[in-house]
Amino acid sequence: EAQVTQNPRYLITVTGKKLTVTCSQNMNHEYMSWYRQDPGLGLRQIYYSMNVEVTDKGDVPEGYKVSRKEKRNFPLILESPSPNQTSLYFCASRLVGSAYNEQFFGPGTRLTVL
Amino acid sequence: GNSVTQMEGPVTLSEEAFLTINCTYTATGYPSLFWYVQYPGEGLQLLLKATKADDKGSNKGFEATYRKETTSFHLEKGSVQVSDSAVYFCALSGDSNYQLIWGAGTKLIIKP
Repeated sequence: EAQVTQNPRYLITVTGKKLTVTCSQNMNHEYMSWYRQDPGLGLRQIYYSMNVEVTDKGDVPEGYKVSRKEKRNFPLILESPSPNQTSLYFCASRLVGSAYNEQFFGPGTRLTVL
Repeated sequence: GNSVTQMEGPVTLSEEAFLTINCTYTATGYPSLFWYVQYPGEGLQLLLKATKADDKGSNKGFEATYRKETTSFHLEKGSVQVSDSAVYFCALSGDSNYQLIWGAGTKLIIKP
């Protein structure tokens, strides 16, 4: 089954404790992206990657890191989480080549930083 | 820059009512337009899409027409069901980095 998976689905942590949210896709997509969803703000892009070893900042990259060592994986790293990073996070992937191509989303990771 | 504006929710309707969720956009060039749906506790799914002026996207009884003259992509359904209760997002894609620009989302509540 073609899918994007994220882990964990739910995470409660404390300020300053480093964490990683994993994202993996099995569709051989070049493009992967991380979003955060906050009430009234829709989805905002954190980072994206056009291919292996190619990453770039989205609209709200502060406090986050990413890496793209393999095509299928795109982990999101919070080196020192803070309460304002409490949010619902989505990973997405798509084929490049056309702005018309659909993005496929993971199920989301609900993060709470105390 | 590019932006998407959606009507604020929640929108509450009775079953079998007619639905319209307004979406307007600002963009340079010729963006592609999308509606995504998020059911409670789930991720986002593509509902429908359109790539050029006057295109009509449709799926599951929902429709939206790409109107360049009014820069709109309103979502409509003739008869809603309780199972349509969800949050609906309008989005556009027009840049070379394939970024999706999102509206704030509209929560739809359908009462039996």
